[in-house]
Amino acid sequence: AQSVTQLGSHVSVSEGALVLLRCNYSSSVPPYLFWYVQYPNQGLQLLLKYTSAATLVKGINGFEAEFKKSETSFHLTKPSAHMSDAAEYFCAVSEKSGTYKYIFGTGTRLKVLA
Amino acid sequence: DTEVTQTPKHLVMGMTNKKSLKCEQHMGHRAMYWYKQKAKKPPELMFVYSYEKLSINESVPSRFSPECPNSSLLNLHLHALQPEDSALYLCASSQDLGAGRRETQYFGPGTRLLVL
Repeated sequence: AQSVTQLGSHVSVSEGALVLLRCNYSSSVPPYLFWYVQYPNQGLQLLLKYTSAATLVKGINGFEAEFKKSETSFHLTKPSAHMSDAAEYFCAVSEKSGTYKYIFGTGTRLKVLA
Repeated sequence: DTEVTQTPKHLVMGMTNKKSLKCEQHMGHRAMYWYKQKAKKPPELMFVYSYEKLSINESVPSRFSPECPNSSLLNLHLHALQPEDSALYLCASSQDLGAGRRETQYFGPGTRLLVL
C-alpha cells in the first residue's frame, strides 16, 4: 500500500531563510506526487506535481521539489521564505491507476518569523 | 482556469435540519470529489463521481447524500447531522480521462460547516 510521511508537523523559519519541508513516500509503482498549500480557512492550492518527467519540479510562488527515487523523497524547498508563505503544506501521492485516490501526508504547518 | 467554486462559504445547522452544499466547475472535468477536513488534519475522501456516476463511497454515513446532476455540478445533501460532523467540506475535480490515469485534483475553497 502506498503511504506518505511528512516529517515535522511544525516548521519555523526566519523571513529570508531557506524553507525545507520533508516528504517521504512508499509506493510499489512509480508514484505521482503533489504538494498543496492551505491558507487558513481556505481550500487546497496546488503548488507543484511530479508525474515521472523531470525530477526537479518548479511550482508557483518560488517553490520547487526534487524527486529522489533512491531516497523515496519529494522534499519541498524555497530559497527565501516570505511572511506570506505561512500556511499548512500537504504532500500527497496518487494511488495507482484506476482508483483516483490521493494519499495525503499529515501536513506541516510552516511559521515564518519576522 | 482551474477554479472550483463552492457555496455557501459558511453554514450553521441544527441536528434536525436539511441543507445542501454545492460545488461547481467549468473546466470540463469528469471526476468530482467530496472531502471532509477536520482541524489540523488532512482531507479525508468521502465520495468520488466519475462521468456523473458514483464511483467511490468511503463508507460515509447515510446522513450525507451526494448528487451529481450534471458534469459541472456536485451537491452534498445533509440531513440529521451530528455535532462531530462539523468540519470544512472540500470539493475537488480532475480531468479523469477514464483510462485509469492519475490526474491532478483541483480543490474549491470549502464550506465551513457547524452543526449545533
